[in-house]
Amino acid sequence: SAVISQKPSRDICQRGTSLTIQCQVDSQVTMMFWYRQQPGQSLTLIATANQGSEATYESGFVIDKFPISRPNLTFSTLTVSNMSPEDSSIYLCSVDFGETQYFGPGTRLLVL
Amino acid sequence: GQNIDQPTEMTATEGAIVQINCTYQTSGFNGLFWYQQHAGEAPTFLSYNVLDGLEEKGRFSSFLSRSKGYSYLLLKELQMKDSASYLCAVRDPGDYKLSFGAGTTVTVRA
Repeated sequence: SAVISQKPSRDICQRGTSLTIQCQVDSQVTMMFWYRQQPGQSLTLIATANQGSEATYESGFVIDKFPISRPNLTFSTLTVSNMSPEDSSIYLCSVDFGETQYFGPGTRLLVL
Repeated sequence: GQNIDQPTEMTATEGAIVQINCTYQTSGFNGLFWYQQHAGEAPTFLSYNVLDGLEEKGRFSSFLSRSKGYSYLLLKELQMKDSASYLCAVRDPGDYKLSFGAGTTVTVRA
């Protein structure tokens, strides 16, 4: 299995500011994904971040709001820009590894 | 598009068996996953089915019928710690994205 860590684990932010979330994997992986889970809801894919290419965003998510970096095969960042209270959510990275997808522990974000 | 359905809630007694059904209609299929998620925590991988049939892992089993677009997760000998949300997810064959159902909240009562 792959072991995934995320930083920060939680944060409280003021509206209008930005937060960058880091995701580190203990193995080299090609496919990495960023999900959002709003309170009481299931997971929604934000974007796919494969190393060596631009991130691919799902409908309803744009690069200006959620810029992503993928500098190498073990690391990625997601930035939540110009935050509003509606961005309060859990943000999770996941990787496809050995026919399975594993999730990081998540970043719990509260925007005031 | 992707349409994945599972019941919202289920309640069962400690020691009993519960079966969580998942039906899907997706534009492609490259495997079905079940995850367990406790409140406030990240999803934990439980099982993966890509071929028809039953996969057994201790107290948990998962079944898949691709022709029927149907899967179930079977939880046996329920324990209080099994109270959680169970998520069904289908993987896209092209880009490996997962599409999730809304999740089934299982409550185990003493």
